Amino acid sequence: AQSVAQPEDQVNVAEGNPLTVKCTYSVSGNPYLFWYVQYPNRGLQFLLKYITGDNLVKGSYGFEAEFNKSQTSFHLKKPSALVSDSALYFCAVRDSLYNTDKLIFGTGTRLQVFP
Amino acid sequence: DAGVTQSPTHLIKTRGQQVTLRCSPKSGHDTVSWYQQALGQGPQFIFQYYEEEERQRGNFPDRFSGHQFPNYSSELNVNALLLGDSALYLCASRRDRGLNTEAFFGQGTRLTVV
Repeated sequence: AQSVAQPEDQVNVAEGNPLTVKCTYSVSGNPYLFWYVQYPNRGLQFLLKYITGDNLVKGSYGFEAEFNKSQTSFHLKKPSALVSDSALYFCAVRDSLYNTDKLIFGTGTRLQVFP
Repeated sequence: DAGVTQSPTHLIKTRGQQVTLRCSPKSGHDTVSWYQQALGQGPQFIFQYYEEEERQRGNFPDRFSGHQFPNYSSELNVNALLLGDSALYLCASRRDRGLNTEAFFGQGTRLTVV
């Protein structure tokens, strides 16, 4: 079965500190992995994706994510958090085996960055 | 580039009524998908349209139907509304050049069923 797990409902971090938002996935084929961010009363904004190649991918606003095949994880990271990074973050996967456009989303992690 | 645009932004309907939501994809995009995001949940896939046909469908009842027009814009129709249909409805578009392209989302339509 295809699924995405985001084990933390909320992550709190002080401004200037590094942040990590965790994501694990389960698919039958090769995963296409995505991170999106959602600000209040807004849609989803694309941050970055992993398709193939380097396990560390860089995206918008200084975010990066590390793909780990053995741990089936795709954690989102940023070296130095900003208060403006406070938002809801979603990890999503597309399963290559099924030739599907469908994205499977996690339940989201609320990131709170304190000044 | 206007990105993905959805209308209306907010809507209040009564149980049993019907509703139509609209979506214009990002310029150059030909594939449109619809998602339902209930409060506190991640988006759930409803269906996808490509070349004016429904190409894939998620686990939603037949009360949910859609349409894609020749200009790639799309509509989501929900009949016989239930209280449980209250959610944020998101439209996503992408260019169909393989599964590795990312989807771009609109700001959503907040549907409240009373």
